[in-house]
Amino acid sequence: GDSVTQMEGPVTLSEEAFLTINCTYTATGYPSLFWYVQYPGEGLQLLLKATKADDKGSNKGFEATYRKETTSFHLEKGSVQVSDSAVYFCALMTGNNRLAFGKGNQVVVIP
Amino acid sequence: SQTIHQWPATLVQPVGSPLSLECTVEGTSNPNLYWYRQAAGRGLQLLFYSVGIGQISSEVPQNLSASRPQDRQFILSSKKLLLSDSGFYLCAGKGAEAFFGQGTRLTVV
Repeated sequence: GDSVTQMEGPVTLSEEAFLTINCTYTATGYPSLFWYVQYPGEGLQLLLKATKADDKGSNKGFEATYRKETTSFHLEKGSVQVSDSAVYFCALMTGNNRLAFGKGNQVVVIP
Repeated sequence: SQTIHQWPATLVQPVGSPLSLECTVEGTSNPNLYWYRQAAGRGLQLLFYSVGIGQISSEVPQNLSASRPQDRQFILSSKKLLLSDSGFYLCAGKGAEAFFGQGTRLTVV
């Protein structure tokens, strides 16, 4: 079935470092792809999305490009801040409106 | 805007006790509604999916059930909780976009 795979383990990095969180997917057809973020004590919220191949989603300095050839949607940010510490979930929306999530990655930014 | 009210935020229940988690939707009508669970070390797993009142699809066999008595109300229940039911439960909806509740951290002791 449709699924999303995120890299294992938490991500710890220093302020102003470059962040990459890998996400690959398996799906039939052409799913929409999303990154969601959960800040401490808050619910999930949409960070960015892409609905077709080669689309680039961007928000708050984060970017991700829908790569159909590698079935990937890696999240990147050039210079992270302490306030970016959160859990990040990659997700896809299937044709029948089901959201499939990755395991999530805890990102900890150290000042 | 579309919002989901989900409560409580945290819950500690003894094994064998019943469970009822409720979420209500505002800002849209006839949304698709979902219950997800995240067990420790795992991703968000879809438990139930509803496209309308009284219409529930179960994605995985389990100790839980769901009901949708009203268009904007979605309830997750159990008659007798197991230790393995512990986890983070998230109610979600989809109208034009997907939107989420705050989640409930359930610990079964």
